[in-house]
Amino acid sequence: DVKVTQSSRYLVKRTGEKVFLECVQDMDHENMFWYRQDPGLGLRLIYFSYDVKMKEKGDIPEGYSVSREKKERFSLILESASTNQTSMYLCASSLRRDKLRAFFGQGTRLTVV
Amino acid sequence: EDQVTQSPEALRLQEGESSSLNCSYTVSGLRGLFWYRQDPGKGPEFLFTLYSAGEEKEKERLKATLTKKESFLHITAPKPEDSATYLCAVRLSSNTGKLIFGQGTTLQVKP
Repeated sequence: DVKVTQSSRYLVKRTGEKVFLECVQDMDHENMFWYRQDPGLGLRLIYFSYDVKMKEKGDIPEGYSVSREKKERFSLILESASTNQTSMYLCASSLRRDKLRAFFGQGTRLTVV
Repeated sequence: EDQVTQSPEALRLQEGESSSLNCSYTVSGLRGLFWYRQDPGKGPEFLFTLYSAGEEKEKERLKATLTKKESFLHITAPKPEDSATYLCAVRLSSNTGKLIFGQGTTLQVKP
């Protein structure tokens, strides 16, 4: 069965900390995505990657960076966590070919205090 | 600007009371419209993909349809276990797979 796994379900971090969110997929997908989800705002794309070491900014990249050293792993980095980055973070992956759906991880609920 | 809008934001139904959720879109080039179901505290779970106007897909009590400007998710005789947030997303032809999501419709089905 298809699987996208996020390293943590819940995280609590302090303001100013550097935070790493990890995502691993086992489907050999080329594309990987990081979204954040907030009430009333829906899912917003932070960054995506369409190949190893390749990345592109999404709609809200400020305050975030990403790393994709291996095809199966896509990391989201909060360089200096702030309270407005408290959110649900969702990782997804998909094949590069058109028309194919994205598979999502279970989400990481991050609270910055 | 590419945009996806879902309505209503919230919907409360009695068990067995059929209804429809709407997803309207204004995008420069559509290469797939996706419906997802999301339970509280979990990631979205794929339901359907629609590619062209006139297409329909069905799964149990759910049926998704697509026109040139909108998609509907019809729920026939819903049960309490259908309660969830339903998300609509479009994939654009101009990029490598990025999805644009609507804000979702939260459905509550009461017994």
